[in-house]
Amino acid sequence: GQNIDQPTEMTATEGAIVQINCTYQTSGFNGLFWYQQHAGEAPTFLSYNVLDGLEEKGRFSSFLSRSKGYSYLLLKELQMKDSASYLCAVDNYGQNFVFGPGTRLSVLP
Amino acid sequence: GAGVSQTPSNKVTEKGKYVELRCDPISGHTALYWYRQSLGQGPEFLIYFQGTGAADDSGLPNDRFFAVRPEGSVSTLKIQRTERGDSAVYLCASSSGTAGTGELFFGEGSRLTVL
Repeated sequence: GQNIDQPTEMTATEGAIVQINCTYQTSGFNGLFWYQQHAGEAPTFLSYNVLDGLEEKGRFSSFLSRSKGYSYLLLKELQMKDSASYLCAVDNYGQNFVFGPGTRLSVLP
Repeated sequence: GAGVSQTPSNKVTEKGKYVELRCDPISGHTALYWYRQSLGQGPEFLIYFQGTGAADDSGLPNDRFFAVRPEGSVSTLKIQRTERGDSAVYLCASSSGTAGTGELFFGEGSRLTVL
């Protein structure tokens, strides 16, 4: 079966660091993606991990452990505009992309 | 076009009616996906096309839902005998990757409301 878990909601303060976790169990694996989705808008790509380790991209970093079926998205120097839902998605190789339920992040002043 | 285009952006229909939702992917993208998203939830996979053929249609909830991509570009999602539970935002995404790999580019979605 396919199962992806994320916390439903998180709250953090402007300027802080927040870590959003994702655990997955899928029948295939060809990479893990993180997407950002602002309310009423389409998801937009943030990061991609296919090998174990940390990928850094400005204020955003993403980590993957394939043996543990685990990933996290790290957001540094939080800004108000980072308030959005963050979606973890697994490329289920040759089949489809499976999305998690999303984590709604609220950044407070 | 520059991005994935979906029409209509909003559709209100009555229970029992037939609906078609259209997706125009990024030019040259061979992979095309349909998802359904309800408020506060993640996108729910419906169907994935590689070229003209449906590579995986395991997410279609029942036989009222059908999708086509006859020329390997534009796709149409068709819903027969709509029910109130079909109300959601229907998202289309395309990718340049083969065999389902590569980043997905999403359209703005078609919001379907069934009264």
